[in-house]
Amino acid sequence: AQSVTQLGSHVSVSEGALVLLRCNYSSSVPPYLFWYVQYPNQGLQLLLKYTTGATLVKGINGFEAEFKKSETSFHLTKPSAHMSDAAEYFCAVNVPGFKTIFGAGTRLFVKA
Amino acid sequence: DTGVSQNPRHKITKRGQNVTFRCDPISEHNRLYWYRQTLGQGPEFLTYFQNEAQLEKSRLLSDRFSAERPKGSFSTLEIQRTEQGDSAMYLCASSPDGVSNQPQHFGDGTRLSIL
Repeated sequence: AQSVTQLGSHVSVSEGALVLLRCNYSSSVPPYLFWYVQYPNQGLQLLLKYTTGATLVKGINGFEAEFKKSETSFHLTKPSAHMSDAAEYFCAVNVPGFKTIFGAGTRLFVKA
Repeated sequence: DTGVSQNPRHKITKRGQNVTFRCDPISEHNRLYWYRQTLGQGPEFLTYFQNEAQLEKSRLLSDRFSAERPKGSFSTLEIQRTEQGDSAMYLCASSPDGVSNQPQHFGDGTRLSIL
């Protein structure tokens, strides 16, 4: 069965520092992987997705993620954090039948 | 693309009352999903529609919950005899037809508070 594990429910970084949010997945078929961001009292917004092809995927707002099949990982990174990046981030995998399974989320705090 | 619209944004009701939420998906999207999200958790799948057909329901969806999508356009989610545990954010999402590598587009949700 497909599943997603996000390591760390909270991550705190200083403004300008590297952001690294960890995601590991389990899938019996080639996965389609996504990162979404959620700001308070809003729905989820797509940051980036991996389907096939290039394993390094670039998204909006300077974020990128690398699909590593050998490690079953899809970690999200951004070279330099900005205050506006403070939000909840969800890693997700699409499963056959087109449902989406979400991780529990990682809340990112950015310190001035 | 006007996005996915959900109404109301907030609903406060007393335990035992019935509530109904509405979702208007992106017009050309055939798939529509309902999720429930509680504090500190990711969205949990409730049910989804392909056009007007409800194709799958989660075990989370007790018999107090019912969802419809008449004519394959907007959808409603009704909760009967609400309980404290129903307090959550209810999210609706839509996606194009039958392609599993497509992301879902989410509305801003309806936050339900049970007094």
